[in-house]
Order: sequence, then structure tokens, then C-alpha cells
Amino acid sequence: RKEVEQDPGPFNVPEGATVAFNCTYSNSASQSFFWYRQDCRKEPKLLMSVYSSGNEDGRFTAQLNRASQYISLLIRDSKLSDSATYLCVVSSGTASKLTFGTGTRLQVTL
Amino acid sequence: NAGVTQTPKFQVLKTGQSMTLQCAQDMNHNSMYWYRQDPGMGLRLIYYSASEGTTDKGEVPNGYNVSRLNKREFSLRLESAAPSQTSVYFCASSETWDRGRTNTEAFFGQGTRLTVV
Repeated sequence: RKEVEQDPGPFNVPEGATVAFNCTYSNSASQSFFWYRQDCRKEPKLLMSVYSSGNEDGRFTAQLNRASQYISLLIRDSKLSDSATYLCVVSSGTASKLTFGTGTRLQVTL
Repeated sequence: NAGVTQTPKFQVLKTGQSMTLQCAQDMNHNSMYWYRQDPGMGLRLIYYSASEGTTDKGEVPNGYNVSRLNKREFSLRLESAAPSQTSVYFCASSETWDRGRTNTEAFFGQGTRLTVV
């Protein structure tokens, strides 16, 4: 079983739609959780950290469920510019070793 | 701000050739990483360095060596390149997690696109 698993998609949604991605992780000792965004042929960039209490940043909401070991990302009012691959990232251990999921591709259309 | 700088951006090697990918960060981060990214595989950790003077294997270390030259620089060496090492390589850095700090963001370089023929 992979340490971090995501549905690869693609998710094709119309502009204005709400879309949700889930991610599961296998290491119960994982400490930190993130969503990264990666545009085609570019480096990953941090979208948002995921806190135990859940957190929101504009149209983006992230949730963490430690008991079930999954993380979610909700995007409301999707924009064309949201089209990208979204990477679930988990950090564990004192070396801050980051483990990436394979990514979920989102395509927002007119 | 430069952040994380990788060189070269593109490289074509012949099977059996060697090369070193260079990475430098100017954010005074303790931890540095080398990942490779292949279609459908996501980013896989090759090696990482939690602090200057230490290096550890990641998920896919075979065929690679690393050097943490100082706090700023972390290089990745391919001693004898193989076609299976054709990939996009990313270097990254972050603060080291400790109990007083969580959610340490990693910053990535722009990537090196390596083709081995």
C-alpha cells in the first residue's frame, strides 16, 4: 500500500462548480499535512497547510481526519485558473521527510 | 529572492555517462531533498538531508549519490546514467520539523529535465 494515496482523476468540472478531493495516508505517526498545487511542467507550490481543526483560505477548505487517516480539499466556485494537479503531502519523523501522493488532476472548463 | 536554484534546467546524457545536478537554497533551511517525478508516479524521494553533514536514503536511492556540501548546497550525482533515470528532478528545502513547529513548508526548485538515451 502506498503511503499517500489519491484519486488521479482527471476531475472535469464547469466553472463555478464545487469540487472535493480526498487523500488517505497510511502512517498514523504522520505529523504535518499539506496540499500543494502543480501546474503543467512547473514545480509544486504550497497551496495550504492542513490543520487538525480544519482551515479555510478563500475558496479553499482543507480538513484532516486523523482517526480515519484522510485529508480533504474542497474548492468552491471553481475558476479556470484552478486547473492544475493537486498533490496531497504528508510529513512524518524528525527529518521532516515529505511524502507525496501521485496527485489529482483538475480541469475546469467554461 | 532566489529561493531554491537548480542547475541545469535541461540535460541529455548518453547511457553510462555521469553528471551532477546542483541545488542551492538561500533560506537558511536545515532540510533538503531530491525528488524525481515520472508520469503517473508522483514525486518520489531519492535522498534527503535533515541537516548539514547528514544524508539518508529515500524511496528510490539506487543509482544515485548525494553530497550535502554545506548548509546551502545539496547535489545529486548519477555515476552511470541509465534510460530508467530519464525523469524530472526536483530539489527542495524546508525547515526541520520539531515539536515546537509544525507544518513546515517545502520550497522547490524549477526542476531539471533529464533524458538518458
